[in-house]
Amino acid sequence: GNSVTQMEGPVTLSEEAFLTINCTYTATGYPSLFWYVQYPGEGLQLLLKATKADDKGSNKGFEATYRKETTSFHLEKGSVQVSDSAVYFCASDTGRRALTFGSGTRLQVQP
Amino acid sequence: DVKVTQSSRYLVKRTGEKVFLECVQDMDHENMFWYRQDPGLGLRLIYFSYDVKMKEKGDIPEGYSVSREKKERFSLILESASTNQTSMYLCASSTPPRDGEQYFGPGTRLTVT
Repeated sequence: GNSVTQMEGPVTLSEEAFLTINCTYTATGYPSLFWYVQYPGEGLQLLLKATKADDKGSNKGFEATYRKETTSFHLEKGSVQVSDSAVYFCASDTGRRALTFGSGTRLQVQP
Repeated sequence: DVKVTQSSRYLVKRTGEKVFLECVQDMDHENMFWYRQDPGLGLRLIYFSYDVKMKEKGDIPEGYSVSREKKERFSLILESASTNQTSMYLCASSTPPRDGEQYFGPGTRLTVT
């Protein structure tokens, strides 16, 4: 079945630093890929998605590009803010309506 | 806005008790999901449902059952709670063709003692 691997956290950055959170997937075929974010005390929210190779998803300054050749979907942001502190989950669809999630990466942004 | 609500934010139960976790969504979504979230393991799918009275096992269904009698409501049942079921439980919903765009509830933190 599908699997998703994320870099382990926590990732600690200063405000305005550049962020990369790595995500790779294994799957048969070309699944849609997603990034979800979980703020403290809340459920997950969809951050961005990409449905085919070379698609770039973007939202709130975050971007991720679907790279078929490296089976990757790394999350990037040019300048993080304290309010971006959260847990970020990469996910892949399974072809049967459900998602497979990575283990999550905690981001801490310091002022 | 889509809203997914869960019956409790925190729950403490004893080993062997029957536990019901309720989830309600208000956007007429066809798909509903139950996940458990554990540190270092991310979210793992327990069960999902794509229609009333329909259910499919996820990756870790052992020790759980579900019920979906109405479209808006999806219940997770722990027939006999055990300490290894202490976890955060998250409910989500979505609808075709955007099955992967899931809307999550705030979660129920269940402690089994």
